[in-house]
Amino acid sequence: DAGITQSPRHKVTETGTPVTLRCHQTENHRYMYWYRQDPGHGLRLIHYSYGVKDTDKGEVSDGYSVSRSKTEDFLLTLESATSSQTSVYFCAISEKGQILREQYFGPGTRLTVT
Amino acid sequence: SQKIEQNSEALNIQEGKTATLTCNYTNYSPAYLQWYRQDPGRGPVFLLLIRENEKEKRKERLKVTFDTTLKQSLFHITASQPADSATYLCALEGVTGGGNKLTFGTGTQLKVEL
Repeated sequence: DAGITQSPRHKVTETGTPVTLRCHQTENHRYMYWYRQDPGHGLRLIHYSYGVKDTDKGEVSDGYSVSRSKTEDFLLTLESATSSQTSVYFCAISEKGQILREQYFGPGTRLTVT
Repeated sequence: SQKIEQNSEALNIQEGKTATLTCNYTNYSPAYLQWYRQDPGRGPVFLLLIRENEKEKRKERLKVTFDTTLKQSLFHITASQPADSATYLCALEGVTGGGNKLTFGTGTQLKVEL
């Protein structure tokens, strides 16, 4: 998985509790992304980062926040988890250039909100 | 609104035949189009990228075409094998200033039978 780890890999939590998912990379790539994947919707971008402390919203950012204090770590926080946030979450990394544009994905975190 | 369509029905083919998967899009002018493979329980893996000014790209048994007039990409796997069974995702990237944000289709499941 191209030097990308996600933790935890599985989590069950209750509605209303805060949850933080971590993405860690060893590739020193500039860009990092958080996606969620749900049946019938495919992968949807939540937030992304284009450098340390530089982040921006994606397509489905409501209810999520992110932070990136180091190049290698990108955190996704659900401030107050809801059942609609039950999903599989993927982190991805990339560089940007004319040649190297592909994204490398982590193994995913399966989150269940009860 | 922007829309990417991939056949939601699984494609079943016999080993040795050519599999052809379709990706159609509307209200989008992508600069790049990418194809990914996803196996159950794992993150997507990059396969091929094609630029808007390219008609065709090949890599081993894989071939991608990109028709910006028809707003369509075709993904071909020749001499298909059971190991090619997976879900295949297309992703479009526009010209943006902040990283290569991708918009994914929902994917098509391919099953290669003996």
